[in-house]
Amino acid sequence: AAGVIQSPRHLIKEKRETATLKCYPIPRHDTVYWYQQGPGQDPQFLISFYEKMQSDKGSIPDRFSAQQFSDYHSELNMSSLELGDSALYFCASSLKGYANTIYFGEGSWLTVV
Amino acid sequence: DAKTTQPPSMDCAEGRAANLPCNHSTISGNEYVYWYRQIHSQGPQYIIHGLKNNETNEMASLIITEDRKSSTLILPHATLRDTAVYYCIPRWAVFGAGTILRVKS
Repeated sequence: AAGVIQSPRHLIKEKRETATLKCYPIPRHDTVYWYQQGPGQDPQFLISFYEKMQSDKGSIPDRFSAQQFSDYHSELNMSSLELGDSALYFCASSLKGYANTIYFGEGSWLTVV
Repeated sequence: DAKTTQPPSMDCAEGRAANLPCNHSTISGNEYVYWYRQIHSQGPQYIIHGLKNNETNEMASLIITEDRKSSTLILPHATLRDTAVYYCIPRWAVFGAGTILRVKS
C-alpha cells in the first residue's frame, strides 16, 4: 500500500538559509500534519491542513510556514534557519474525522550547520 | 487538552506479554485513545485505537477502563523487534512522553 512520501530524506543547510520540505500524503487523504522531533525528544506537532486550509496550529515558529496544495501535497518552508532547527521532520496524513488514523512518513532529516 | 502519563521505561522478556499502561484522566467523551510506537528515528507506526470498548488487532490488544481514564496496551508475545518507544495519544495530534519498552532475550 502507498505510504506518506517525504522529500528530501536528508538536507544540510547553513545558518540563516532557507529550507523546504515536501510531503505527499497517502492517496485520497485530505489532511496533512507536520511534526518536528529534536534529538532525544518526542515528536512535537507543528501544524495541520485540511482541504488546503490550516486546520490546527501547534508550536510552529514564526520563521516557518506551510501550505497544502490542490493535489493535497504539502510543503514546509523554513527560513532564517538556526542550529536548533536541526531535527527530524515528519509529515503525516489522514482522512478528516475524529476517529481516522494518522499515518506517518519516514521523515526528513534537517541538519543546520 | 487531554494529558497523558506513561511510565518512562519498561522491560519485558521475549515471548512474554508486554502490558503498557497509560493514564489519560482528562480525556473527553469523544476523544479516541490512539497508540503508536516509534522504532529509533523511524516514522511513528500506528498500532491500535479505541473509544470505549476493548479492541484487538493483529498487533496488539487495547483495554480501556470503564471510566476511560486509563488504558493498557498489550503485546501478547513480545519480540526483540517490539523494542521501541510507545506513545498513548488521546488527542490525535499531540504526543506526550512515551514509554521506552525494552524486550530482552
